[in-house]
Amino acid sequence: DAGVTQSPTHLIKTRGQQVTLRCSPISGHKSVSWYQQVLGQGPQFIFQYYEKEERGRGNFPDRFSARQFPNYSSELNVNALLLGDSALYLCASSLAGRNNEQFFGPGTRLTVL
Amino acid sequence: TQLLEQSPQFLSIQEGENLTVYCNSSSVFSSLQWYRQEPGEGPVLLVTVVTGGEVKKLKRLTFQFGDARKDSSLHITAAQPGDTGLYLCATLSGGYQKVTFGTGTKLQVIP
Repeated sequence: DAGVTQSPTHLIKTRGQQVTLRCSPISGHKSVSWYQQVLGQGPQFIFQYYEKEERGRGNFPDRFSARQFPNYSSELNVNALLLGDSALYLCASSLAGRNNEQFFGPGTRLTVL
Repeated sequence: TQLLEQSPQFLSIQEGENLTVYCNSSSVFSSLQWYRQEPGEGPVLLVTVVTGGEVKKLKRLTFQFGDARKDSSLHITAAQPGDTGLYLCATLSGGYQKVTFGTGTKLQVIP
């Protein structure tokens, strides 16, 4: 079975631009979470979506937004990019319910110049 | 905000050596997880500990949850180059199971 997939793998943008990152969860998983991992640090929680509804949001500005589609795939959108947005963006999927393991994708490496 | 501090931040050892990585907080947790992240990959869950004082073993890896459930350790015996990676402790919080990661320990095992 395929794991969590993310696209694109790498992306280079300039300050002020907008970017959309995509995630396909493991088949059967209805929950998708997004994390930002700056080089040398642990991932930071951005959003969690379940059944197309936002269930949680981390401490990120409104420039960050996301949505989940009927097939449970998800997009993360970042507007007005800053140099500090350069990071690895990770998507994780899980089954619904408490204490379900989150499975992470390989991430999208975003570089903002 | 729950803060998970890991130590050491970096560790470079020779193959065959033993090592211990620590995860500490001032908060009490209902459970604690350990992940390993290899370059170019997302984190992979290694273990979840839920009971104070609990010890779990995964081949050469031994995980311990502190009695007060505020800290945890990961001990690797006879480290191998395949153990190289970023080790992250993490907790689950909120009804939607948000994962809060620690600061990470980057391990390099030299052949």
